[in-house]
Amino acid sequence: ETGVTQSPTHLIKTRGQQVTLRCSSQSGHNTVSWYQQALGQGPQFIFQYYREEENGRGNFPPRFSGLQFPNYSSELNVNALELDDSALYLCASSLAARNNSPLHFGNGTRLTVT
Amino acid sequence: AQSVTQLGSHVSVSEGALVLLRCNYSSSVPPYLFWYVQYPNQGLQLLLKYTTGATLVKGINGFEAEFKKSETSFHLTKPSAHMSDAAEYFCAVSIIQGAQKLVFGQGTRLTINP
Repeated sequence: ETGVTQSPTHLIKTRGQQVTLRCSSQSGHNTVSWYQQALGQGPQFIFQYYREEENGRGNFPPRFSGLQFPNYSSELNVNALELDDSALYLCASSLAARNNSPLHFGNGTRLTVT
Repeated sequence: AQSVTQLGSHVSVSEGALVLLRCNYSSSVPPYLFWYVQYPNQGLQLLLKYTTGATLVKGINGFEAEFKKSETSFHLTKPSAHMSDAAEYFCAVSIIQGAQKLVFGQGTRLTINP
């Protein structure tokens, strides 16, 4: 069973640039969620994709956007990067968007904005 | 609104001692609760979950947690700490607002003293 994989592991960008982060979900999982974890904080929900549609979003501006592909892999795109976007971005997959579905997390992408 | 509070941002115990990490939740509906562990430079790994049924939940690595509705608590315990338990621990409540969303606490850093 292949777990959740994310790429790249680390990334350094300049303020104002755009970035794309990628995630391959665990085999058999059709739901992908993205979380932002700032240093010393718990993860914050960005959005979730189910069957290629965004089905929920946290308190993040529209410059945070995403995609889910037919193979259930996903991308997180962030435009007009700000210094506060520096964080660990975590992708998680699950079998279905139900309350008791545990999320399986990847190791994250560490984004630094300078 | 659902929320989670973890009491104590840092907990330090001796190897072989009892580990107790505290989590209190706020939820207007029966909660689904999770504990995750995060090792340095890694993503989150599921330790255990409470959905319905037995209130004492056993997880991986010898950890367990007890759901107490009257106290709105879901504390994590391990009878005997091991050096490899040193990590960050997150309690989370799962809610459905269109998407399944995990609301995390701020985390507790567990240090094990030899």
